[in-house]
Amino acid sequence: AQSVSQHNHHVILSEAASLELGCNYSYGGTVNLFWYVQYPGQHLQLLLKYFSGDPLVKGIKGFEAEFIKSKFSFNLRKPSVQWSDTAEYFCAVLNSGGGADGLTFGKGTHLIIQP
Amino acid sequence: KAGVTQTPRYLIKTRGQQVTLSCSPISGHRSVSWYQQTPGQGLQFLFEYFSETQRNKGNFPGRFSGRQFSNSRSEMNVSTLELGDSALYLCASSLSGQGGKTQYFGPGTRLLVL
Repeated sequence: AQSVSQHNHHVILSEAASLELGCNYSYGGTVNLFWYVQYPGQHLQLLLKYFSGDPLVKGIKGFEAEFIKSKFSFNLRKPSVQWSDTAEYFCAVLNSGGGADGLTFGKGTHLIIQP
Repeated sequence: KAGVTQTPRYLIKTRGQQVTLSCSPISGHRSVSWYQQTPGQGLQFLFEYFSETQRNKGNFPGRFSGRQFSNSRSEMNVSTLELGDSALYLCASSLSGQGGKTQYFGPGTRLLVL
């Protein structure tokens, strides 16, 4: 079965710092990759997604992620974080063959941005 | 376009009772998936419905069931509630049940079992 690992459970950064959140998945077949964000008191929102093509994908609010197939990774990056980026970030994988297990989520990374 | 809506938003039940949660997908979306979110286990897939048929199922006991109606609205039922069923239950909709389609999440129903 697919599994997703997010390396950092808690990250604290200062405003304007650069961000990189790691995500690795286990299944080696064709996958669709997602990053979702959950702001305090709000529901899960899609940040960005990768289905095929350019492995560097750009999402909302200045976020981007790079799919590296050989490393089974889909790391999330942002060059300069803002206080409003404080949230829980989830990496998720959907097996492209039909997603028999639905979306498989990582445990999440709680990001705190200090002003 | 309105997002995914879930009712009720909060629910308190006691052990042994049953509960039904409702989800209305984004207009035009035919696939509805359900997830359970807990602090310990994180987000886990329950099941997915497409065109009124359960297409996929996660690793949950048979106490967890669901259905989908012809208008794509879905309900999830949990029978004989246990304390461990306390969780945030999330519904997500997508355009189709095929892999590769983006899922959009509702605000969830927070269930507390006493």
